[in-house]
Amino acid sequence: DQQVKQNSPSLSVQEGRISILNCDYTNSMFDYFLWYKKYPAEGPTFLISISSIKDKNEDGRFTVFLNKSAKHLSLHIVPSQPGDSAVYFCAASKDTGNQFYFGTGTSLTVIP
Amino acid sequence: GAVVSQHPSWVICKSGTSVKIECRSLDFQATTMFWYRQFPKQSLMLMATSNEGSKATYEQGVEKDKFLINHASLTLSTLTVTSAHPEDSSFYICSASSPVNTEAFFGQGTRLTVV
Repeated sequence: DQQVKQNSPSLSVQEGRISILNCDYTNSMFDYFLWYKKYPAEGPTFLISISSIKDKNEDGRFTVFLNKSAKHLSLHIVPSQPGDSAVYFCAASKDTGNQFYFGTGTSLTVIP
Repeated sequence: GAVVSQHPSWVICKSGTSVKIECRSLDFQATTMFWYRQFPKQSLMLMATSNEGSKATYEQGVEKDKFLINHASLTLSTLTVTSAHPEDSSFYICSASSPVNTEAFFGQGTRLTVV
């Protein structure tokens, strides 16, 4: 049972434009969410997080939005750069430091 | 950020042999380590959670006798794939966390190919 879902397997965006990656979850007990970036044959790298007490967290070009009522979160990257091309996973946990449940990933391609 | 080192980065073994993968937290004490498996074009699937000094907790469907996990110290966890078969070929990734970390730190992953 996939508790965290990323329905778009791939996304292409022009350099300089905004990239929006979406993630949905089903378990209302999740209260901590993260986005990871992954290059082929490498481990995921932490990007940004948000706890359920917030609805927005911003770090430079990256902003994560959380809509608890809709069980939906999104990652905005603006402006998008070619180096952002990677697979992005969202992950959720029931408390910090605990096990994480991952979405299926969205492959982002930023076109120069 | 914190560093987690996973070794080896890739390994090829013969069917029926065992392979050990190491996961080390280099600059923090990892009270909890997680082992994931990723099939091509699929998500990271949690296999098991291990806490230092205690038995690992395996996810449903993961054979604990086949995937032996040892977390003997706060900086080292090992995953041993016993009697490996071609269907065990996959990308295995560990992650580590501690009570003071709000995110998990991942190793580089190990590409296992069983021939």
